[in-house]
Amino acid sequence: QKEVEQDPGPLSVPEGAIVSLNCTYSNSAFQYFMWYRQYSRKGPELLMYTYSSGNKEDGRFTAQVDKSSKYISLFIRDSQPSDSATYLCAMSPPISGGYNKLIFGAGTRLAVHP
Amino acid sequence: DVKVTQSSRYLVKRTGEKVFLECVQDMDHENMFWYRQDPGLGLRLIYFSYDVKMKEKGDIPEGYSVSREKKERFSLILESASTNQTSMYLCASNPGYRLAGLYNEQFFGPGTRLTVL
Repeated sequence: QKEVEQDPGPLSVPEGAIVSLNCTYSNSAFQYFMWYRQYSRKGPELLMYTYSSGNKEDGRFTAQVDKSSKYISLFIRDSQPSDSATYLCAMSPPISGGYNKLIFGAGTRLAVHP
Repeated sequence: DVKVTQSSRYLVKRTGEKVFLECVQDMDHENMFWYRQDPGLGLRLIYFSYDVKMKEKGDIPEGYSVSREKKERFSLILESASTNQTSMYLCASNPGYRLAGLYNEQFFGPGTRLTVL
């Protein structure tokens, strides 16, 4: 079983829809949770960063962490064609030995059509 | 603005060739990482380095080696390229605990798409 599971999609939605992207994980030590966005032929860029459980909102994006269920979500409101990208969840435990690694999900490919 | 650059966007090599992928970051970051990205498998860590001349194996180090002679540069070496190493290779860096504490965002380069024939 992978440490982080993410449905690779693809997910196709009409413009204006609410998008829900999700990841589950198995390591209860994870405390730092991120969402990266990767446009075609580009490297991933950080979209949202959360620590422990709760919600975080940034414009049209909301990141949600439920540590009791080992489940994280990214919601996109009023989705736009420019949101078409691959979204990767990433997470890590507390730092070990002065450096740390991120564990990534497989990424979900999202297409928002006009 | 953090910038991570990779020497090539696209590379085509033949089986058995020695391949060098170069990565440079300009923000004095301590940690640097090499990943490969394959459809359905996400990003898998090959090697990382937390200091000059220091390296640690990631999840899939077989067939690869790395070199970090200067803080800003991290090289990935395929000693004898094989067709199953055809992939997208991504380099990343982050400041490290000394500079950024527990904040561990990684900054990525644009990637190198390697094809081994």
